[in-house]
Amino acid sequence: RKEVEQDPGPFNVPEGATVAFNCTYSNSASQSFFWYRQDCRKEPKLLMSVYSSGNEDGRFTAQLNRASQYISLLIRDSKLSDSATYLCVVNEPYGQNFVFGPGTRLSVLP
Amino acid sequence: DAGVIQSPRHEVTEMGQEVTLRCKPISGHDYLFWYRQTMMRGLELLIYFNNNVPIDDSGMPEDRFSAKMPNASFSTLKIQPSEPRDSAVYFCASSPDRGRGYTFGSGTRLTVV
Repeated sequence: RKEVEQDPGPFNVPEGATVAFNCTYSNSASQSFFWYRQDCRKEPKLLMSVYSSGNEDGRFTAQLNRASQYISLLIRDSKLSDSATYLCVVNEPYGQNFVFGPGTRLSVLP
Repeated sequence: DAGVIQSPRHEVTEMGQEVTLRCKPISGHDYLFWYRQTMMRGLELLIYFNNNVPIDDSGMPEDRFSAKMPNASFSTLKIQPSEPRDSAVYFCASSPDRGRGYTFGSGTRLTVV
């Protein structure tokens, strides 16, 4: 089983739609979680951290379920500019290394 | 701050040649990471440093790969000799401490022909 798994995608949604991405991780001792976005031929950029109580940043909401080892990202009122690949990132316990999921590609269509 | 700076942006080289990739982390960041990204394998950690000391190099594919960090503001990743299967985008990233997200450089797109 891979350490971090994500919905394979791609997700093609119309502007204004709500879309949710899922991510599961294998190591129950993992402590830190993030969502990154990566535009085509660009570097990954930190989108948001994921906190135990869940957190929101504008149209973006991240949730963590430790019992199920599951992370989610919800995007409301999607924009054309949200088109990108979204990477789930989980830390390796006792180390500094963060493991990146394979990413889910999102295309927001006009 | 200028962010993480990598050079060159693109590199095309012939099989068997030596390739050196360079990275300048964000000032004050104690952790530096080298990643490789391909379509097939996604982002893979090659090696990371803490305070200029290599901590984990278990992701380095083989002896052809080596990385150094002679000081807090500079790191290199060297491939010698290069092979076509090394073709990928190589990212450098830095972080101020454990538990925080990384800042990535723009990457070096390497093509070995």
